[in-house]
Amino acid sequence: KAGVTQTPRYLIKTRGQQVTLSCSPISGHRSVSWYQQTPGQGLQFLFEYFSETQRNKGNFPGRFSGRQFSNSRSEMNVSTLELGDSALYLCASSWDETAYNEQFFGPGTRLTVL
Amino acid sequence: DQQVKQNSPSLSVQEGRISILNCDYTNSMFDYFLWYKKYPAEGPTFLISISSIKDKNEDGRFTVFLNKSAKHLSLHIVPSQPGDSAVYFCAAIGANQAGTALIFGKGTTLSVSS
Repeated sequence: KAGVTQTPRYLIKTRGQQVTLSCSPISGHRSVSWYQQTPGQGLQFLFEYFSETQRNKGNFPGRFSGRQFSNSRSEMNVSTLELGDSALYLCASSWDETAYNEQFFGPGTRLTVL
Repeated sequence: DQQVKQNSPSLSVQEGRISILNCDYTNSMFDYFLWYKKYPAEGPTFLISISSIKDKNEDGRFTVFLNKSAKHLSLHIVPSQPGDSAVYFCAAIGANQAGTALIFGKGTTLSVSS
């Protein structure tokens, strides 16, 4: 069974640009969650999608948005990039939105904002 | 305000000895806790969890202890092996304005030397 895949793995952008990250969950999983990892803040929850609906959202500005498609693949978009958005963005999938102990993470997308 | 705190950024242990990783939380409503392990260039992987109705959960070399009155949990690894060298994240399932989400600590880097 293929794991969670994230593309691209690395990305360099400049301030003010926008970026779209992609996450393909494990086959059969319908829940996708996104997290931001920075050295100073650790792992922080961004949002969660289940069956194409955003079910939960963390405390991030509106520049951070996402969506989920009918095949459960998810995208995350960050507009008007700031230097502080440089981070590892992780997505995790599970079969159910409450199956936290069965949540599988992808390797992440390393975003650098210059 | 950090609701889940891992106050030790790093820990060094010799192979064969016990590793004890600590985690404190501030919200007494948290009732389910998880530990994740993360290797470089990989996403976190679920290690072990504990419900607040228990004070101990064991899985092979890994044991998690929960002290609800102190709002403290710890992960014990016995015996420690070089392959255990990784970043360990403590997480709690907590509620935000939109629902429940995983709230992570900042992580502790464990180094096991042979």
